[in-house]
Amino acid sequence: AQSVAQPEDQVNVAEGNPLTVKCTYSVSGNPYLFWYVQYPNRGLQFLLKYITGDNLVKGSYGFEAEFNKSQTSFHLKKPSALVSDSALYFCAVRDQTGANNLFFGTGTRLTVIP
Amino acid sequence: DTAVSQTPKYLVTQMGNDKSIKCEQNLGHDTMYWYKQDSKKFLKIMFSYNNKELIINETVPNRFSPKSPDKAHLNLHINSLELGDSAVYFCASSQGSGYTFGSGTRLTVV
Repeated sequence: AQSVAQPEDQVNVAEGNPLTVKCTYSVSGNPYLFWYVQYPNRGLQFLLKYITGDNLVKGSYGFEAEFNKSQTSFHLKKPSALVSDSALYFCAVRDQTGANNLFFGTGTRLTVIP
Repeated sequence: DTAVSQTPKYLVTQMGNDKSIKCEQNLGHDTMYWYKQDSKKFLKIMFSYNNKELIINETVPNRFSPKSPDKAHLNLHINSLELGDSAVYFCASSQGSGYTFGSGTRLTVV
């Protein structure tokens, strides 16, 4: 069975500093990995995905993620955090049994401190 | 145009009632989904559906039933609502590796 883990419930970072939100995955075979962001009382917004190819994936709003097969990780990063990046971030992996749905991690709340 | 739209956005109802949440996508996607986000913000898949197959998460009570009148719609019907059904429900659609989510329906059972 596939799954993702987000080990940190909360990440605090000062504005202008680099940020990292961690995600590790467990799948058999090649994973399809995703990052979504949820702002308060809003839906899920797509940030980026890894399907194949370059391990460094660039996405929306200046975010990027690095796929690391040996460490089974897909950490989300941004070089310089903005206060407006404060939100709930979800890592997800696609189901490999045929249903094609996404399995989500438990989410990480990012707070960027001015 | 909203790609995946859900109605209503908010729904407050009494225990024991039956209610439906509608979802429509205008992306031409083959597959649609319903997710539940609980009070701890955990997101869990409830149903996956395309025009050939319905896949149900085994943990979903049979009081919940998806209904798809056509490829662009997947409505969620809930019978005999319980307090524990209070949550935010998200509809989504996908084609290939592209997934789009609706803005959610906040259901409150009182």
